[in-house]
Amino acid sequence: DAKTTQPPSMDCAEGRAANLPCNHSTISGNEYVYWYRQIHSQGPQYIIHGLKNNETNEMASLIITEDRKSSTLILPHATLRDTAVYYCIVRVEDTDKLIFGTGTRLQVFP
Amino acid sequence: DAGVIQSPRHEVTEMGQEVTLRCKPISGHDYLFWYRQTMMRGLELLIYFNNNVPIDDSGMPEDRFSAKMPNASFSTLKIQPSEPRDSAVYFCASSSHNSGANVLTFGAGSRLTVL
Repeated sequence: DAKTTQPPSMDCAEGRAANLPCNHSTISGNEYVYWYRQIHSQGPQYIIHGLKNNETNEMASLIITEDRKSSTLILPHATLRDTAVYYCIVRVEDTDKLIFGTGTRLQVFP
Repeated sequence: DAGVIQSPRHEVTEMGQEVTLRCKPISGHDYLFWYRQTMMRGLELLIYFNNNVPIDDSGMPEDRFSAKMPNASFSTLKIQPSEPRDSAVYFCASSSHNSGANVLTFGAGSRLTVL
């Protein structure tokens, strides 16, 4: 199973870009990288996913390195409401299982 | 769409009692997942269904836990008998093969406290 490694916590000033890194060095060639976040006491929320190309949606951008061993989630203009735990996940190979790790706790401050 | 609907939102029960948690997935979704979250263990996948069929229940902690999906619009997670260590927030999530089986929409969760 591809495991992911994320820093336990990060800070970001409101209005600035938040760049959340994730290492997934054992990812296989056809596995997507998924990002979710969980705001306190709510259910996790899907953000974005990608395979090898950079992806962007209304919430965030996802940059995946060419060797696919790491990725970065970018929140271009962080707000206080972006304070949450962010999870980087690679699906368990040959299944539809998403196993959540401990994630990165992002604190956005004024 | 109202999203994934879970009930009850909060349940307090005594050890030994039966607990039933309910989930209504988003209409048209063909995957349903049950997760449990505690401070100690984080988010754990308990079981997931595809087209109402249980695919993987390897995360179900023990025989006291059972899950069913009698139709595409309803699933239950039952704990019998309940124990204090079952206290957690239980999340249900659904997804669609067409939109991506792993693009999950989560419910608000059911917070269970077993005394």
